[in-house]
Amino acid sequence: KQEVTQIPAALSVPEGENLVLNCSFTDSAIYNLQWFRQDPGKGLTSLLLIQSSQREQTSGRLNASLDKSSGRSTLYIAASQPGDSATYLCAVRRAGNQFYFGTGTSLTVIP
Amino acid sequence: GAGVSQTPSNKVTEKGKYVELRCDPISGHTALYWYRQSLGQGPEFLIYFQGTGAADDSGLPNDRFFAVRPEGSVSTLKIQRTERGDSAVYLCASSPTGGGGGYTFGSGTRLTVV
Repeated sequence: KQEVTQIPAALSVPEGENLVLNCSFTDSAIYNLQWFRQDPGKGLTSLLLIQSSQREQTSGRLNASLDKSSGRSTLYIAASQPGDSATYLCAVRRAGNQFYFGTGTSLTVIP
Repeated sequence: GAGVSQTPSNKVTEKGKYVELRCDPISGHTALYWYRQSLGQGPEFLIYFQGTGAADDSGLPNDRFFAVRPEGSVSTLKIQRTERGDSAVYLCASSPTGGGGGYTFGSGTRLTVV
């Protein structure tokens, strides 16, 4: 079974800082990896999807990288804003159709 | 529809009762997934539909849980004889096919069993 770990579990930073969220997975035979954002009491919003053949994806202030061989992905958030405060979830998909999720990193950006 | 719609958004039920949770996926999406998220945890897979058939139901915890998708669009997750441990947020997602695309999630149904 694929195990997905996210570090740190919680992070608090002042507004404007650049930050990195980490995701590691045990089985490198993945199909793709997706980063999601979850606001309290809400569903999941897709941020970035990286296919197994890709090394990174960028959207605005977000950049996600994938190193399949080492079983790692990072989500880089530039110039953080209070509105970025949420839980960030990493999900890995193998050849089957289910995603395996980490437990998330809870981010607080302090104004 | 424009997004994945789940109803109800909140459901409180008594222990032992039967509940149905509904998911209306994005129009044209053939793949539909149900996940369950307990407090402080990431979502856990329950079942995956490709069209009308359950292609993978390996995540259903026991035979009290059942899901259908009779016409290949709307899906209903059914829970019999609910237990307090069933309390969680039930999330539905859809994707265009079962292939390499990403998921779009609904806002979830928060089920509380009292």
